[in-house]
Amino acid sequence: ETGVTQTPRHLVMGMTNKKSLKCEQHLGHNAMYWYKQSAKKPLELMFVYSLEERVENNSVPSRFSPECPNSSHLFLHLHTLQPEDSALYLCASSYLPGGGRQEEKLFFGSGTQLSVL
Amino acid sequence: KQEVTQIPAALSVPEGENLVLNCSFTDSAIYNLQWFRQDPGKGLTSLLLIQSSQREQTSGRLNASLDKSSGRSTLYIAASQPGDSATYLCAVRQSNNDMRFGAGTRLTVKP
Repeated sequence: ETGVTQTPRHLVMGMTNKKSLKCEQHLGHNAMYWYKQSAKKPLELMFVYSLEERVENNSVPSRFSPECPNSSHLFLHLHTLQPEDSALYLCASSYLPGGGRQEEKLFFGSGTQLSVL
Repeated sequence: KQEVTQIPAALSVPEGENLVLNCSFTDSAIYNLQWFRQDPGKGLTSLLLIQSSQREQTSGRLNASLDKSSGRSTLYIAASQPGDSATYLCAVRQSNNDMRFGAGTRLTVKP
C-alpha cells in the first residue's frame, strides 16, 4: 500500500454517461495530481492541485473536470467522454518541493482503468 | 519543453546479471529526478529520488546516478532477479510542480 487509494479500479462507461473517479491520500501531503497513461505513451500530467488550489491544467479537454475539496481528496469528474479517452488514470500525491527532502517523492495510487464504449 | 528519453525501450537478461537503465532529459534546470517501477496494470512505485544537488542514491540492489549538466541518469540493478521484471520509468521534476516522465524501459529477467 502506497497510502494513496483510488476508486474504482475499473470503469466502463458509455459516451453519454457521467462518472467520477476518486482519490484519497493518507500521507499528509499538500499536493495532488491526476495523470493519464495511454498504451505506449509516457504519462501525461493532467492536473495539479497545490494546497487545494489548481496550479496546472495541461490543455485538458473540458469533459474532464477536477475537484479538490480538501488536501486529502481529489476527484475527476467525467462526462461525454470519447473512446480515445480510454486509459489508465493515475492519482498521485507529494509534499511541495522545498527543503530537498526525500519526502518529496511522488506516491501513486493503483489507478482506474477506464474504458469508454 | 522538457523531454525525457529512456533507452532501451525493452531489455531481457538472465537472472543474476547486473544491468543499467538509461534516462536522458533535455533541460538541465530540474528540481529532482525520480525512478519508478510499474507492474502491468498497476500504479507506480517510487524507487529512488535524487535531488538536483546530489550525484547518486542507493537502496539495496539499486543505485541511481545523476549528471545534471549532461542531462543523464542511470539506474543500476545488481544481481537481477525474476521479481525485478517490470517497467522502469524515470521522471524529472521542474520547479513549477510539473513532472515529466519517460516512456519507460520494460525489463524481463529470465530464471
